[in-house]
Amino acid sequence: LAKTTQPISMDSYEGQEVNITCSHNNIATNDYITWYQQFPSQGPRFIIQGYKTKVTNEVASLFIPADRKSSTLSLPRVSLSDTAVYYCLVGDVSGGYNKLIFGAGTRLAVHP
Amino acid sequence: GAVVSQHPSRVICKSGTSVKIECRSLDFQATTMFWYRQFPKQSLMLMATSNEGSKATYEQGVEKDKFLINHASLTLSTLTVTSAHPEDSSFYICSAEHRARNKITSYEQYFGPGTRLTVT
Repeated sequence: LAKTTQPISMDSYEGQEVNITCSHNNIATNDYITWYQQFPSQGPRFIIQGYKTKVTNEVASLFIPADRKSSTLSLPRVSLSDTAVYYCLVGDVSGGYNKLIFGAGTRLAVHP
Repeated sequence: GAVVSQHPSRVICKSGTSVKIECRSLDFQATTMFWYRQFPKQSLMLMATSNEGSKATYEQGVEKDKFLINHASLTLSTLTVTSAHPEDSSFYICSAEHRARNKITSYEQYFGPGTRLTVT
């Protein structure tokens, strides 16, 4: 399983765009990149998943460069409710039975 | 999206007793479920992989006789903490694997809300 590296913490203000970058230098050919959000005392919530280039959904965008050694989660116009821990995970999810190994995550604090 | 529930959400038990936590996939079938433990201010730690109809696979350092896992159906996995002690107090989270929406080539994991276990 590829190891990931993220900033431990980030601060932002309401209305700003937040970009969290994750490094995964040892990503394998079959690996996907998945991001989760976790609030205190809750289970992680799936945000977005991608393999290459750009993926966008109703809550975020995921940018993946051609070499796939990093990825950037982009949260547009954050609000106070986006204060949470964000985890980047890399693994082969093309079949079932996929273990997820969580790193330390990035603790995002959004200020008024 | 896919919904996973856990029961109970909170439990307090006395040292030496056993506690069972249920994990259910509500609107999909999950051949594979996972159990995690999370201590305060720390990340999730994978404990075991639960497969329907077969024995669970435990991560290194996790005692299989202490954390009993049963995956009796495609929508239910249970974790029983046997002879609980205060050091077992933690936040236990399950997840269930589901084929990604509108995709045929990847899977996503959906997490339950977690169970806060306090052993006194």
